[in-house]
Order: sequence, then C-alpha cells, then structure tokens
Amino acid sequence: GENVEQHPSTLSVQEGDSAVIKCTYSDSASNYFPWYKQELGKRPQLIIDIRSNVGEKKDQRIAVTLNKTAKHFSLHITETQPEDSAVYFCAATGSARQLTFGSGTQLTVLP
Amino acid sequence: GAVVSQHPSRVICKSGTSVKIECRSLDFQATTMFWYRQFPKKSLMLMATSNEGSKATYEQGVEKDKFLINHASLTLSTLTVTSAHPEDSSFYICSASAKRGYEQYFGPGTRLTVT
Repeated sequence: GENVEQHPSTLSVQEGDSAVIKCTYSDSASNYFPWYKQELGKRPQLIIDIRSNVGEKKDQRIAVTLNKTAKHFSLHITETQPEDSAVYFCAATGSARQLTFGSGTQLTVLP
Repeated sequence: GAVVSQHPSRVICKSGTSVKIECRSLDFQATTMFWYRQFPKKSLMLMATSNEGSKATYEQGVEKDKFLINHASLTLSTLTVTSAHPEDSSFYICSASAKRGYEQYFGPGTRLTVT
C-alpha cells in the first residue's frame, strides 16, 4: 500500500518568514495530493491540493509543488502569520480514493 | 456546500459498553465514507472504507467485529465501537466523498473516552 513520509515533524519560523514542509510517497499510481491544516481538537481543513498532471499550484500565500518522478511534494507558506500555527498534514490518494496521511508537522509562527 | 456532521462530538462510556457514532453528509450524496482514528499528537489512520449498500472494507489490523460500520444510505454512515475498552479512547473522524472527484469532506470528529 501507499506510504507517505513527512518532515520536519516540528517547524518554528519568525512571523513573516516562509515555511516549507516536504513529503514523499511510495505508490507511483497516486494521483491526488491534498494538504490539511488541523487545529487542536478540530477536523482537518483542506488548504490546497494538487493533481498528478500539474507541477505547481498557488493560492495566495500557499503553494504546493509536485515532482512525480521523484515522488515528492512540498507545501510552501510565505509571509507566515501567527494564525498559521497548527499541525499540517500531507496526504496521497490513488485509484481507490483512500487517503494516506503523512505523520504531520507542528508549525509554530513566532510573533 | 459539502458539509459533514458527526454526532456525538464527545462521549464518555464505561468499559464493556458499546457506543455508536453517526456521520452525515448534509448537502450531498456520499457514495463513499471513510472512518479514521487519531490518537493524541498522531496522524489520522484510516480504519475502514464504506460504500453505500456494501460491506465496509477494513484496514489491516482493524477488527471488523469490534468496529461495526453501516452505510445504509447515501447520507448516513455509523460506526459502533462494541465492548469498548480504555485503549479505544481516541478521536474518531469520518469523511465523505461524492461520486466524482477525490476530495474528502471531514466531519468535526468524536472524542471517545472509555473509563
């Protein structure tokens, strides 16, 4: 089955700096890669996603890049703000439409 | 649109009892629903996938006789934790997916505490 690895597990940045979280996946058939933000005790919130036929996608301060050959994808957050502090999960899904999550990254944005 | 509700949000039960959690898609038909379990400071782990009108498909290591899943309609799936034990205490989250597309819409989760 699919295996998704995510790093770093924790990330602290100064407000206004950029944050980058990286994930790798194992199943070359995976074709949908969402990123979620989860606050304590809350549901995961989709912040951006990318499909395998696209290399990069951007939505305001958030961007995701995908390298299918290397089987890795990354989340980039620019101009970080304290409210960006949360746990971020990457995930990958294939033909069965089942999500396999990464282990999560605790992002702390220091004011 | 694409709202998923989950009930109850919190439940405390005694060891040996059963607990039922409901997951509803409020404004769309969910052909597939997924159940996840999340332990503190851990990731979401898929427990099972259910398609409307079919038996659920359980992930390896998840006991189907302990975690009963029913997906009787296109808007409702239930997870029953039978003979609950303290180690079943966790955050249970459902998600729903429409026929088209890969996106899953998550419910708000249920915090289960077994005493």
